[in-house]
Amino acid sequence: QVQLQESGPGLVKFSATLSLTCTVSGGSLNNNEWLSWVRQSPGKGLEWIGEGHYSGTTNYNPSLKSRVTTSVDKSNNQFSLNLRSVTAADTAMYYCARGSDYVWDLWGPGIVVTVSS
Amino acid sequence: QSALTQPASVSASPGQSITISCTGTSSDVGSYNLVSWYQQHPGKALKLMIYDVSNRPSGVSNRFSGSKSGNTASLTVSGLQAEDEADYYCCSYTTNSIYVFGTGTKVTVL
Repeated sequence: QVQLQESGPGLVKFSATLSLTCTVSGGSLNNNEWLSWVRQSPGKGLEWIGEGHYSGTTNYNPSLKSRVTTSVDKSNNQFSLNLRSVTAADTAMYYCARGSDYVWDLWGPGIVVTVSS
Repeated sequence: QSALTQPASVSASPGQSITISCTGTSSDVGSYNLVSWYQQHPGKALKLMIYDVSNRPSGVSNRFSGSKSGNTASLTVSGLQAEDEADYYCCSYTTNSIYVFGTGTKVTVL
């Protein structure tokens, strides 16, 4: 049974880069599946950050595009997120999700990231 | 892209039915039949309940159903059970090629 698990530092300093990893275990992604990052904060609710595919193709939310980079490491079954120049507004629960055909059918438990000053 | 509008809370007694609305615009809900619904229990991962407006994934109770009219999608839960108490979020693909979520609805089983 495929599972997703987010990992990374729970505390990131203001203006630094937030780096998270999503590890896929119990199986691999199919060719038609994508991995997305979604975050949830009290102030802004759920927000789609972006997605990546094994092929290297990525898509990002325009509101974050200038600060976001994602990549898929097929050999290690990992999906990474780098969010640059973070502020307090980036404090949130970050989720990794598996999707295809515009739907996410599997989610990780999430990881809380706090931006400190 | 603004969040889709959902009622903040909905409550009903066990056995009753509830309907949660999800109102967007002609650029999201109204453009595609790509509305999905997710359930979130406190401290738990999100769970897909409905996709493509009205399709139910395998394993999801048939008490959950979805529909859409114009720019508003709806999730109906019939025969409400205690385990249905959770937060529910709608999500739609948009003409800007991004995904937008709803504001979320807290369902309380009285």
